[in-house]
Amino acid sequence: AQSVTQLDSQVPVFEEAPVELRCNYSSSVSVYLFWYVQYPNQGLQLLLKYLSGSTLVKSINGFEAEFNKSQTSFHLRKPSVHISDTAEYFCAVRPVNSGNTPLVFGKGTRLSVIA
Amino acid sequence: DSGVTQTPKHLITATGQRVTLRCSPRSGDLSVYWYQQSLDQGLQFLIHYYNGEERAKGNILERFSAQQFPDLHSELNLSSLELGDSALYFCASSVALTGSTEAFFGQGTRLTVV
Repeated sequence: AQSVTQLDSQVPVFEEAPVELRCNYSSSVSVYLFWYVQYPNQGLQLLLKYLSGSTLVKSINGFEAEFNKSQTSFHLRKPSVHISDTAEYFCAVRPVNSGNTPLVFGKGTRLSVIA
Repeated sequence: DSGVTQTPKHLITATGQRVTLRCSPRSGDLSVYWYQQSLDQGLQFLIHYYNGEERAKGNILERFSAQQFPDLHSELNLSSLELGDSALYFCASSVALTGSTEAFFGQGTRLTVV
């Protein structure tokens, strides 16, 4: 079975400051890794994902995440946040040869960007 | 817009009642997943259907059931409702069963049990 731990439930940060949202996972098999974002009163949207290859993956809106196999981590970073980044962020995993296995989510980190 | 449609958006009902939540997946997606989101439990996987067949069950109560119809839309039935069933219920769809496939989420149905 897989599990995901998001160490921070809430992260307040000033606008234009950098931010890191932490994600650690546990799995006995290889996994794919995902970050989803949920804006207020909306569903989840895929932000970025790691499937294979380069361990650094980037989104179109400036976020990036690095897969670290030895530390079983997939932390999300942004060098300069905007007010519009205020949202809840979910890290998720899924086994590589999963077939029927659904995404397993962490409990989420609420990012609040302060003007 | 993810292409996944959930109805209704909001639902208020009394304890002991039964409700049905509906999900229309993206065109061409065969997989439908149901999740429950609550403040204390986070996102909990309930059940997965693929092309009309149940493929996986998560933390779904016996009072809850689901099905996927030939046109691929899905319904989640919640019965004998309790206050603790109040939550946001999400449906997600994906085109295949492989682990790398992206899941697209609907906007959810907010259920309030009073």
